Amino acid sequence: GESVGLHLPTLSVQEGDNSIINCAYSNSASDYFIWYKQESGKGPQFIIDIRSNMDKRQGQRVTVLLNKTVKHLSLQIAATQPGDSAVYFCAEAAGNKLTFGGGTRVLVKP
Amino acid sequence: EADIYQTPRYLVIGTGKKITLECSQTMGHDKMYWYQQDPGMELHLIHYSYGVNSTEKGDLSSESTVSRIRTEHFPLTLESARPSHTSQYLCASSADRDRGAGELFFGEGSRLTVL
Repeated sequence: GESVGLHLPTLSVQEGDNSIINCAYSNSASDYFIWYKQESGKGPQFIIDIRSNMDKRQGQRVTVLLNKTVKHLSLQIAATQPGDSAVYFCAEAAGNKLTFGGGTRVLVKP
Repeated sequence: EADIYQTPRYLVIGTGKKITLECSQTMGHDKMYWYQQDPGMELHLIHYSYGVNSTEKGDLSSESTVSRIRTEHFPLTLESARPSHTSQYLCASSADRDRGAGELFFGEGSRLTVL
């Protein structure tokens, strides 16, 4: 059934500042991780991925960090812009099984 | 831009009606998925397919059914809709990588409201 996402973690960030979104994953066998961005009324959109043999990967304005010791994943957005306002989801994959975590809402203040 | 399309984008129907949500992709992907998502909440896998004539149930129990007669088409059907089916349904596809899961390409979603 339908429920309202009243308890979605929210990160408010000033335009131009850097954003850091954190994600704790649960399966130590997960070997592939993805960050998705979902804007209101749209489907999730791929941002960046990382395999478990790496601990850092950079894209355009985004960096993903992986700490397998504590099963922690983070997404850093440099110079956050109004267009970055969205809900961000991390996903972990073990073999063919992909599992999404809860999202974090990012609100960019002008 | 991903080439995966869902119709309808929005649907409001009465209880007991049969509905089919359409999903098509033009990327030739073997793997396709249906997720259910309530507003602002996480995605829950309800069905997936690894190729033609292959369908499996996902992690979240659903009263819907799916079929995969053609590679590009993965429709989802509710035989008798109920208010508890009100949600957003997201279709996705991925390329068949050499091992494991790969990047998912999502459609825009079908927002279903059952009165």
